[in-house]
Amino acid sequence: KAGVTQTPRYLIKTRGQQVTLSCSPISGHRSVSWYQQTPGQGLQFLFEYFSETQRNKGNFPGRFSGRQFSNSRSEMNVSTLELGDSALYLCASSLGTLSSYGYTFGSGTRLTVV
Amino acid sequence: SQKIEQNSEALNIQEGKTATLTCNYTNYSPAYLQWYRQDPGRGPVFLLLIRENEKEKRKERLKVTFDTTLKQSLFHVTASQPADSATYLCALDNSNYQLIWGAGTKLIIKP
Repeated sequence: KAGVTQTPRYLIKTRGQQVTLSCSPISGHRSVSWYQQTPGQGLQFLFEYFSETQRNKGNFPGRFSGRQFSNSRSEMNVSTLELGDSALYLCASSLGTLSSYGYTFGSGTRLTVV
Repeated sequence: SQKIEQNSEALNIQEGKTATLTCNYTNYSPAYLQWYRQDPGRGPVFLLLIRENEKEKRKERLKVTFDTTLKQSLFHVTASQPADSATYLCALDNSNYQLIWGAGTKLIIKP
C-alpha cells in the first residue's frame, strides 16, 4: 500500500512569508500528526488531527496552524516565517487508536527560511 | 517535566556483535514505548512497540525490554550488520495523542 506522502520535499522561503505543507496519510488512517525536527531540539510535537478534529496541540506559537480534510489529508501552515522555523517537518499517520503498528511517517518537508 | 534520555554519543559496534541502546525516562508512567529507526534525510520508521505490562518484545534480530521500575527500555540489535547503521529513537506516549521523543542514538556498525 502507498505510504505517507508529503509535499513538497524541499522549500526555500524568505523571512516574513507564509508556507503550506501537505500530507496524505495511508489509506484508512484517520489520525495525522505533525512534528518539527531540528538538530538541537529533536522531534517536537506540533498537533494531531483525527476525523477533522484537532485533538492536541504542542507548544508552538499561533503562527503554526493546521487542518484535516474529510479524506484525512492534512495541511499545516506557518505564517510570518522566522529563521528559526527552518527544520524538517514530518507528518505521521496512524489508525488513531493504540495498536502494535505505531506511526507511519512521511519523508518530510525540508523547510529553509532565509 | 517529562524527560527522555538516550545515549547522546554514537555507538560503534563491530559487525556480528550485539548492539544495546538505552532509553531512560523520568516523571512519567507511559502505557507503551516505541522504537524507531531514522536514516539521514528520511522520516522515522517504526520498529517495535512494547506495552507497560510486557517485559520483552522481539522482531527478527531486534529485542526490546521495558522495565517500568527502573524507568528504562533497552533496545538490542543482535548479529549486527552495516545496514543496521542509523539513528534509533525511542518515544513514549503521553496519553494525549502525542509522542514524546528521545534525541536518538546514532549506531555505527563497522565491517
